[in-house]
Formats: sequence, structure tokens, C-alpha cells
Amino acid sequence: QKEVEQDPGPLSVPEGAIVSLNCTYSNSAFQYFMWYRQYSRKGPELLMYTYSSGNKEDGRFTAQVDKSSKYISLFIRDSQPSDSATYLCAMSADLGLTFGEGTQLTVNP
Amino acid sequence: EAGVTQFPSHSVIEKGQTVTLRCDPISGHDNLYWYRRVMGKEIKFLLHFVKESKQDESGMPNNRFLAERTGGTYSTLKVQPAELEDSGVYFCASSQVSGWNEKLFFGSGTQLSVL
Repeated sequence: QKEVEQDPGPLSVPEGAIVSLNCTYSNSAFQYFMWYRQYSRKGPELLMYTYSSGNKEDGRFTAQVDKSSKYISLFIRDSQPSDSATYLCAMSADLGLTFGEGTQLTVNP
Repeated sequence: EAGVTQFPSHSVIEKGQTVTLRCDPISGHDNLYWYRRVMGKEIKFLLHFVKESKQDESGMPNNRFLAERTGGTYSTLKVQPAELEDSGVYFCASSQVSGWNEKLFFGSGTQLSVL
């Protein structure tokens, strides 16, 4: 069983939609949670990171962590075509990141 | 400021050959990481350098892989001899600090195809 599960999609939404991306994990030691965005033929780029449970908001992006359920989410409000990319969750207990498989998102104009 | 640079962007080799991947981290970043994504799988950690020292190489798949970071600047990852299952995208990342709040900057990756 993978330590981090993420639905690879693909996910296709119309411009302006609210997007919900999710990951579940099995390792209780994970304390630090991140979301990366990866455009085609580029490396992952850090979008947001959170420590422990709770919400964190940055512009149109909200990251949510529920450690009791071992479940993390990324919400994108008012999605734009420029948000089309692969979104990867990643988490860490101390050093080294464990990634999800990534969800491919397309926002259609 | 230049980001993390990886060479080559693509490499196609035959099984049994040797390939060397290079990573130039962001200047001043002591921490350098190698990650790999094989087809249909998640990105997986390979190893972590702090300056020229290997901090953690627990993700290296086997002894056909050799990573070096002479002088604590650029790093190379050599695969010798390459096998079919080594095909994938190899990412390098660097950061200024290590630990939970580190911000990793990734290169665009090297797409390795072993035929």
C-alpha cells in the first residue's frame, strides 16, 4: 500500500469553478504537508505548506489538513485556465518528502 | 537569479550503457536533493546532500546509482549500467535550509529513456 494516495484524474472543470484536490495518507508520523504545482515539462513548484491540522489560505488557494482522518485538501476558487497543471501533495515527518502521484487538472475557458 | 539547472533535459541510451546526469543548484544552497519519477508512479526521494556530504541516501535503489557533489556545488548522478526500469524523470532540487520549513526549488528534470 502506498503511504500517500492521490487520485491521478484527469480532472476537467470550466473556468470559474471551485476545484477540490485531495490526498489521504497512512503514516501517522507525517506532520508537514505541502502542495506542489507542476506545469508540463517543468519541475514541481511549491504552492503552499502547512504544519499539523487546520486551514491555510493564500489568495484563491486554501489548504486544509485533517490529521485525525489522515486527509488533506487543496481548494482552488475561481479557477483559471492558467491553473491547468498537475497538482502534487507531499508530506514529511522530518526530512525527505513523500509525494502523491499527482492530479492532472485542466481548466477550460 | 538562475534556478536549479539540470543537464541534459533528455537522454536516450541502451540497456547496459552509462549515463551521467548533472544538477546545478541555486547558488548558496547547501542542500541538494535527487528525486525520481518512473512512469505511472509518484515522485520518490533518492538522496540528500548537505554541501558535499551525503546526509541521507536511503532512497537510492541499488549500487548501480552513484551520486557525487564534489566541492559542494554541482552534483552528478551516474547510472552504470543502466537497466530498462531506470527510465523515468530525474529531478534535482535545492534549498537553503533543511528541515520541515525548507522550500525546495526543483529543476525541470532529466527525462531518461533506457531502451
